Amino acid sequence: NAGVTQTPKFQVLKTGQSMTLQCAQDMNHNSMYWYRQDPGMGLRLIYYSASEGTTDKGEVPNGYNVSRLNKREFSLRLESAAPSQTSVYFCASSESGYEQYFGPGTRLTVT
Amino acid sequence: QQQVKQSPQSLIVQKGGISIINCAYENTAFDYFPWYQQFPGKGPALLIAIRPDVSEKKEGRFTISFNKSAKQFSLHIMDSQPGDSATYFCAARGGSGYALNFGKGTSLLVTP
Repeated sequence: NAGVTQTPKFQVLKTGQSMTLQCAQDMNHNSMYWYRQDPGMGLRLIYYSASEGTTDKGEVPNGYNVSRLNKREFSLRLESAAPSQTSVYFCASSESGYEQYFGPGTRLTVT
Repeated sequence: QQQVKQSPQSLIVQKGGISIINCAYENTAFDYFPWYQQFPGKGPALLIAIRPDVSEKKEGRFTISFNKSAKQFSLHIMDSQPGDSATYFCAARGGSGYALNFGKGTSLLVTP
């Protein structure tokens, strides 16, 4: 039982490049979330998926897209990376929106 | 805007002392208030949580105090240990998809 897994762990991109961050959970949770963490800012919600087949914007969705591939997987895509997207990205999952379980994070640098 | 305000930003406590971190919120629709602990290079991990119908919850050395009328809640770490040195985030559940609204975090250092 791995919980929430994220790939890759680290990534460096040049401005304008694209990439997809992958997230998978093995807890059969309905809800999944993408947050970004910046120094002194806490965690801010980018997108969430309340259930398989649905996605919706969070607090900071600009520059990102998501796909809920199936119940287990929820990916985050940066179509044209910008230096402002340098951050640590966390995926989380939850059965009911109460206890949320976080992955280990992806550290992204955009130069 | 920041829906959950957390203080202090950083805290230094001696081993054996009490660490206290405070949070305040405005949205009375919030219905669940967790605290997360995060070590460097790791994801946040749920530490303890409370619902608004309870004024206090204790788990080992960690206690949440909740004041519904003041819209404030706090984390108390009794007998603080160097291993407690981490960043602590308060949060509140509500709004979009029942996502968590996080405070900005408190960096706790417990000195030997």
